[in-house]
Amino acid sequence: DQQVKQNSPSLSVQEGRISILNCDYTNSMFDYFLWYKKYPAEGPTFLISISSIKDKNEDGRFTVFLNKSAKHLSLHIVPSQPGDSAVYFCAAFTTGGGNKLTFGTGTQLKVEL
Amino acid sequence: ETGVTQSPTHLIKTRGQQVTLRCSSQSGHNTVSWYQQALGQGPQFIFQYYREEENGRGNFPPRFSGLQFPNYSSELNVNALELDDSALYLCASSSTAGSPLHFGNGTRLTVT
Repeated sequence: DQQVKQNSPSLSVQEGRISILNCDYTNSMFDYFLWYKKYPAEGPTFLISISSIKDKNEDGRFTVFLNKSAKHLSLHIVPSQPGDSAVYFCAAFTTGGGNKLTFGTGTQLKVEL
Repeated sequence: ETGVTQSPTHLIKTRGQQVTLRCSSQSGHNTVSWYQQALGQGPQFIFQYYREEENGRGNFPPRFSGLQFPNYSSELNVNALELDDSALYLCASSSTAGSPLHFGNGTRLTVT
């Protein structure tokens, strides 16, 4: 039962353009969502998060959008840079449920010159 | 500030053996979680410890067990290893419930 889904295993974008990574979830109890970035041979690194009471959160080049009615969130990276090439994981948890994160399967982003 | 460190980085074990993986939490963090990441999958929650007590567990059998020590370091023990236990094991720490997890670089376990 995959409660957090990332349906695109890979995405290729040109440097300077926008990268849009998508994530869907099925559990309506999730009220906090995060994006992590992972380079090979490293652990996931926290990128940005959003609470379910918001629909947008922005941090520099990274913006996360949440559509609760559609149970969908997306991560926008603009402009994309070669150093952004990594696997991006969407994760979710329920406040009061501790820090138990439910992760998606990840999207491999490749930013080309 | 010291981040989350895990040891060893790589490990090869035989089916049926037992393994212990170690983790040092980030300074000031009193909550530690363990995740299993199989190839091509996202990390799966194994369990979480807070102040040396297990306070959450995922869908893993009892042969997966853990400890958290007074200095907030932690161990993951897996008994009776199976081939499907081959994965990257990630340790993560946080300062409070709900704050973002900080992950270590993981231990790559191969069971043959």
